[in-house]
Amino acid sequence: DTAVSQTPKYLVTQMGNDKSIKCEQNLGHDTMYWYKQDSKKFLKIMFSYNNKELIINETVPNRFSPKSPDKAHLNLHINSLELGDSAVYFCASSQEVINGDTQYFGPGTRLTVL
Amino acid sequence: GNSVTQMEGPVTLSEEAFLTINCTYTATGYPSLFWYVQYPGEGLQLLLKATKADDKGSNKGFEATYRKETTSFHLEKGSVQVSDSAVYFCALGLYNQGGKLIFGQGTELSVKP
Repeated sequence: DTAVSQTPKYLVTQMGNDKSIKCEQNLGHDTMYWYKQDSKKFLKIMFSYNNKELIINETVPNRFSPKSPDKAHLNLHINSLELGDSAVYFCASSQEVINGDTQYFGPGTRLTVL
Repeated sequence: GNSVTQMEGPVTLSEEAFLTINCTYTATGYPSLFWYVQYPGEGLQLLLKATKADDKGSNKGFEATYRKETTSFHLEKGSVQVSDSAVYFCALGLYNQGGKLIFGQGTELSVKP
């Protein structure tokens, strides 16, 4: 049973295209996140949602639009893809929005923009 | 601002060697501190955590102690195995920050037989 799953695992696309990445968690958690890992493996928060409401938008370009249809899902839609969007995107979830809570990560989606 | 600094990698050790990966942080308030591990081709997994000063987190032979006086959370293991080869991330979480984790740059560990 995969706790946090993401699809697709790999995504190769052309500049200017629009793409989506899906994330689902079966842990019953209230909070979900998107992180971006660049080519040097540096990880940075993009968004967090708690009970389907946006909590954090970490100065991400508005080409990135997260959508949470329910507590178990947080999808990431990216418009007009740019070369600099190439990265690994990780979804994560936690029970609550508190500083000591463990976050559980998905396997990542490697996005390559050509 | 809030930040985490880890020692540069890659770190290469022989099996059964002692491991230390340094981590220091800057934070307003009282953060929780974490070590996450990323095995090749996988997502991050929590290795251990500590939520207040002087707490020691431990798991799978790894340990780290939350030192408020030196703002550090160094990761140690007495005897590493080849299977410990991975990238290790130190991170902090702050109260009232929407649950976000602030990560260090990661330290790649390679253990040779």
